[in-house]
Amino acid sequence: AQSVSQHNHHVILSEAASLELGCNYSYGGTVNLFWYVQYPGQHLQLLLKYFSGDPLVKGIKGFEAEFIKSKFSFNLRKPSVQWSDTAEYFCAVEPGSARQLTFGSGTQLTVLP
Amino acid sequence: EAGVAQSPRYKIIEKRQSVAFWCNPISGHATLYWYQQILGQGPKLLIQFQNNGVVDDSQLPKDRFSAERLKGVDSTLKIQPAKLEDSAVYLCASSLAGASTDTQYFGPGTRLTVL
Repeated sequence: AQSVSQHNHHVILSEAASLELGCNYSYGGTVNLFWYVQYPGQHLQLLLKYFSGDPLVKGIKGFEAEFIKSKFSFNLRKPSVQWSDTAEYFCAVEPGSARQLTFGSGTQLTVLP
Repeated sequence: EAGVAQSPRYKIIEKRQSVAFWCNPISGHATLYWYQQILGQGPKLLIQFQNNGVVDDSQLPKDRFSAERLKGVDSTLKIQPAKLEDSAVYLCASSLAGASTDTQYFGPGTRLTVL
């Protein structure tokens, strides 16, 4: 079975700082990769996803993620965070052959104004 | 477009009691998912329906949890009897057809506290 690790449980940044959240997964086959975000008081929503092709994927609100197959990683990045990016971020993986999402434990991002 | 609806939003019960949660997916979405999210963890898939059939219930504790989607639209998840460790947020999600390219849309969740 696949598993997902998010090593940063809580990240605190000032506005305009750059962001990188780590995500590593364990699964030997083809995978689909996702980042979900949950803003305070809101539902989980999809930030970006990778299925195939260009390993650098761009999502909403200026976020991007890079799939590095050799490192089993799918790190999330944003060059300049805003206060409104304060949220919990979840990385998720599913085997390419089955629709079974496995989520990481999440990273709480706090952006100070 | 209306989102995924869930009720109730909050529920407090005592251990060994029964509880049921309701989910109404986005109109036209064939696939429905129930997740359990324990505090400090990511969501864990409990069961997946495709229309009114079960696709995956491998992580559903079947001795106490049950779920149904009789008409292929809304769904209920039941816990009977509840244990302390069932305290969690129960999330419902839906997607158009269940293909890996389909986005899962999540509801607001039901926060269950078992005393």
